[in-house]
Amino acid sequence: QVQLKETGPGLVQPTQTLSITCTVSGFSLTSHYIQWVRQSPGKGLEWMGFIRSGGSTEYNSEFKSRLSISRDTSKNQVFLKMNSLKTEDTGVYYCVRTSFDYWGQGVMVTVSS
Amino acid sequence: DIQMTQSPSFLSASVGDRVTINCKASQNINRYLNWYQQELGEAPTLLIYNANSVQTGIPSRFSGSGSGTDFTLTISSLQPEDVATYFCLHHNSWPYTFGAGTKLELK
Repeated sequence: QVQLKETGPGLVQPTQTLSITCTVSGFSLTSHYIQWVRQSPGKGLEWMGFIRSGGSTEYNSEFKSRLSISRDTSKNQVFLKMNSLKTEDTGVYYCVRTSFDYWGQGVMVTVSS
Repeated sequence: DIQMTQSPSFLSASVGDRVTINCKASQNINRYLNWYQQELGEAPTLLIYNANSVQTGIPSRFSGSGSGTDFTLTISSLQPEDVATYFCLHHNSWPYTFGAGTKLELK
């Protein structure tokens, strides 16, 4: 069945870089987009960006200068990297399939020194 | 960016009540509107996609309507397990945006 699972560091210091991996199963990354969504106390749910089935990307301008999404199709993995973290980046990060139908469980990230 | 205004923010209703939640888009989004249920500590679950299509496995008491800028999620007969927060999402054009959520409680 379709599954997505995020893994990440949990705690990141301000100004550092966040790296999260989304591992998928039950479908192919070459047939589906992967979206990234953040849920934070301050801003609720925010769409961050996506990587298309062909590998190109689109980013929300709110994050564009700091955000990078990439993938390794041989490992069924998609990667989110976001630099220059601030305390306001604290939240739960989700990877989501194409039309926002299947969501990962989410990974909680706290940005704090 | 398209803004999604969701109402009400909080809703208290009794078992068996008909419940409606609304989302208004700041511009035409055709039917590119999804509805989600989120229980505490869980990921959102897709209920309705493209305004009025019920996701497989979702109880028939959930329905969606609307097009253009005004959309409604209806629960025809509220059940105790429906206590959750509900969100809308537009996916007409990026950046996609979410409503702020409606917290549904039992009276």
